[in-house]
Amino acid sequence: EIVMTQSPATLSVSPGERATLSCRASQSVSSSLAWYQQKPGQSPRLLIYDASTRATGIPSRFTGSGSGTEFTLTISSLQSEDFAVYFCQQYNEWPPLTFGGGTKVEIK
Amino acid sequence: QLQLQESGPGLVKPSETLSLTCSVSGGSVSSSGFYGGWIRQPPGKGLEYIGIIYYSGSTFYNPSLRSRVTISVDTSKNQLSLRLKSVTAADTAVYYCAHGNEDVWGSFTVIFDDWGRGTLVTVSS
Repeated sequence: EIVMTQSPATLSVSPGERATLSCRASQSVSSSLAWYQQKPGQSPRLLIYDASTRATGIPSRFTGSGSGTEFTLTISSLQSEDFAVYFCQQYNEWPPLTFGGGTKVEIK
Repeated sequence: QLQLQESGPGLVKPSETLSLTCSVSGGSVSSSGFYGGWIRQPPGKGLEYIGIIYYSGSTFYNPSLRSRVTISVDTSKNQLSLRLKSVTAADTAVYYCAHGNEDVWGSFTVIFDDWGRGTLVTVSS
């Protein structure tokens, strides 16, 4: 099973600042990585797939990068609606699909 | 965009069977390429994959749960179902259903386009 580790667990950022979230895989997942956003009381929403491709309707301030075992989600200028929990998911080798533990982006 | 809605008992006794359904609207569970999955999130923890079922009926379960889980589809009701037997307190979680389509993402590529809101199931006597 591929273990996905996200860091930090919580990130405190002021509106308008940049946020950088990390996701690490225990072995290479190539570029088979997705990022999801989950706001309180809401369903997770797909943001990024194939490590760097934005899903339909996702603003350009969200950027995914990386391959192999190291991945980054960057939010260039945080808006109020971006404060949420972010999960990564690998789909290179499964079952099982595996998710990271999540990073909570909170208002500083 | 499909809408998914989980439903089922919020409280299950230890050793009994957890049964949930996921009602799908805005699309068909029997359409080409469709797959539906179940994912859970224990309180304060990350997401755990339970399994998925393809429109063909093929299922792929988490090896850690395979002996206890069954995922099925009712095409007449356009629903997914989850059964997890012999539950313990460790099965307490929010249970989500989600879907994707391999005609969009590619064969054996599982990305979840839409998720339900989730339903909390507590295992307790």
